[in-house]
Amino acid sequence: NAGVTQTPKFQVLKTGQSMTLQCAQDMNHNSMYWYRQDPGMGLRLIYYSASEGTTDKGEVPNGYNVSRLNKREFSLRLESAAPSQTSVYFCASSRGDSEAFFGQGTRLTVV
Amino acid sequence: KQEVTQIPAALSVPEGENLVLNCSFTDSAIYNLQWFRQDPGKGLTSLLLIQSSQREQTSGRLNASLDKSSGRSTLYIAASQPGDSATYLCAVKRETSGSRLTFGEGTQLTVNP
Repeated sequence: NAGVTQTPKFQVLKTGQSMTLQCAQDMNHNSMYWYRQDPGMGLRLIYYSASEGTTDKGEVPNGYNVSRLNKREFSLRLESAAPSQTSVYFCASSRGDSEAFFGQGTRLTVV
Repeated sequence: KQEVTQIPAALSVPEGENLVLNCSFTDSAIYNLQWFRQDPGKGLTSLLLIQSSQREQTSGRLNASLDKSSGRSTLYIAASQPGDSATYLCAVKRETSGSRLTFGEGTQLTVNP
C-alpha cells in the first residue's frame, strides 16, 4: 500500500547543478502534481499533469521542467539549481477531481 | 484568483478541549474542499474531503463543514488529544481549474497534556 513515493528524501545541490526528483503512484490515478512548500508561502503548484501525455504550468513553473513518463510516474527536473529553489517538494496524485494524496516530500537545499 | 485563508495561524489548547479551525476562500465556485494534516518534517495526510454539494463530512472525532455561499469551512475536533498536535491545512479545488488545489497556510495546533 505504497501510495505516492518520492525519491530522494533529502538532497543538497550546488548552485548550477541539475537533478531530477522522482515520483511514482500505485493508485491508478490520472492526475499528478508537483508542489513546493516554503515558510510563509504555503504550498504552491509548480506543474501538474491531468492525464498521461499532458502537462501544464502552475503558479511557479520557472526554473523547472516535468515529464509524465507514464501513468504512474511524474518527474520534476531542475536544470540549473539556484538557492531560491531551496524548498520542500511534494508530489501528489488524484483520480480526476477526487481526493488528493501526497508523498512524504523531498527536502532540497541549494548552496 | 482564489485565495484561501486560515485563522488562527497557531492555536494551543489543553487536552480534552473541543476546538474549531477555520478556513475561508474568496471564490465560491469550488468543486470540493479538502482538509489535511501535516506533522513536522512529514508529508500531508488527507483527513476529509467535502464535495461542493455537501454540507459536512465526519470521520471519527473530526467533523468538517462547508458553507459554499459564504466561502467558509470549519474543522471541528472533539476531545482533543496530544497526538492531534500538527499543522492543519485546507485546500480548495476550483470548478473549472483542471483539478489543481489552492492551499491555505495552515493552522499549527498544539494540544497540551
